[in-house]
Amino acid sequence: AQTVTQSQPEMSVQEAETVTLSCTYDTSESDYYLFWYKQPPSRQMILVIRQEAYKQQNATENRFSVNFQKAAKSFSLKISDSQLGDAAMYFCAYRGGAQKLVFGQGTRLTINP
Amino acid sequence: KAGVTQTPRYLIKTRGQQVTLSCSPISGHRSVSWYQQTPGQGLQFLFEYFSETQRNKGNFPGRFSGRQFSNSRSEMNVSTLELGDSALYLCASSLTTGPGANVLTFGAGSRLTVL
Repeated sequence: AQTVTQSQPEMSVQEAETVTLSCTYDTSESDYYLFWYKQPPSRQMILVIRQEAYKQQNATENRFSVNFQKAAKSFSLKISDSQLGDAAMYFCAYRGGAQKLVFGQGTRLTINP
Repeated sequence: KAGVTQTPRYLIKTRGQQVTLSCSPISGHRSVSWYQQTPGQGLQFLFEYFSETQRNKGNFPGRFSGRQFSNSRSEMNVSTLELGDSALYLCASSLTTGPGANVLTFGAGSRLTVL
């Protein structure tokens, strides 16, 4: 079974600084997708960024980018120029052939003004 | 375009009762998935429906069931509620199912408290 591990339960960063959230996963599949979701206090899960495993190029969405290391099964999220609105729980998720999303335990990100 | 709508947003039940939660997907989306979120177990997959058929099921007891209607709206039911069923139940919809980078759009969730 696939597993996703987020080793940082909590992270904090100063506003305007850069922070990196870690995620590792375990799978024997070769074709899969990885996602980062954000869950603010309103509880609604919002997609931040996604990565197709067959693509070597790291995905980027404005201030959000990933470092995808397929051989190491690592998928970290970098947030540049952190803003107060970035404060939330961040979940790393995997989806392979079974189609369901497998989530990590989450990282609570605090932005200090 | 309206998002994924879940009702009710909050509800309180007592042990032994049953509950039904509703999810209306984004217009045009035919796949609906359900997830349970608890502080201890995190986010766990319950089931996925596509075209009124259950396509995938997670590791939950038979007390958890669901269905999807012809308009893609979905309901999940939990019978004989236990204290451990207290959770945030999230529904997500996507255009289709199957391989691909189908993006799941989540609703705001239904917060169930079992007393």
